[in-house]
Amino acid sequence: DTEVTQTPKHLVMGMTNKKSLKCEQHMGHRAMYWYKQKAKKPPELMFVYSYEKLSINESVPSRFSPECPNSSLLNLHLHALQPEDSALYLCASSQNVGVGANYEQYFGPGTRLTVT
Amino acid sequence: SQQGEEDPQALSIQEGENATMNCSYKTSINNLQWYRQNSGRGLVHLILIRSNEREKHSGRLRVTLDTSKKSSSLLITASRAADTASYFCATGAYGNNRLAFGKGNQVVVIP
Repeated sequence: DTEVTQTPKHLVMGMTNKKSLKCEQHMGHRAMYWYKQKAKKPPELMFVYSYEKLSINESVPSRFSPECPNSSLLNLHLHALQPEDSALYLCASSQNVGVGANYEQYFGPGTRLTVT
Repeated sequence: SQQGEEDPQALSIQEGENATMNCSYKTSINNLQWYRQNSGRGLVHLILIRSNEREKHSGRLRVTLDTSKKSSSLLITASRAADTASYFCATGAYGNNRLAFGKGNQVVVIP
């Protein structure tokens, strides 16, 4: 199974709401990622988890809170978002990098988030 | 500065023609990867070329890497309408999970 699943596919939320995005993979990958992508732009890395520990936070505002409950699941908790946070949020997974190695990332279909 | 910056191309070609797109980067890399993204959907990994490789093939795809010029090219031969997508290059550095994505190339294949 080489699939990364994301739920929900679409989400509309107000600026005072709290919501969560979910991501799941069953490939045994120990690195998982959150990206944000605006229209006609490349994905921007937000967070990286390595062996269920947060290894990279690209100075993301605290209104985005990631969580990795186990090696297969990745959540992104959203609170008090702004309209400019509207974007496609992509989850990805890969084998974990060792020194001198990189691996391809497998992406989910994304969650289209609209903040009103 | 952003790694993996493709030449800003919006390419429109006829089905059956070849499509070439380029990518340049600025710092040392461990590998360079190409991804495809259909409109508003997730990215699909196409091919990975390591820094000690110069050329790699996968089906109708051919990737070259010139580390002296810090550049790569992706060639899609005998294009099909289904190849219509955005193509991104991404560079991987040594020892961490971070990929730096380029700006992307929009390719439209006309049936």
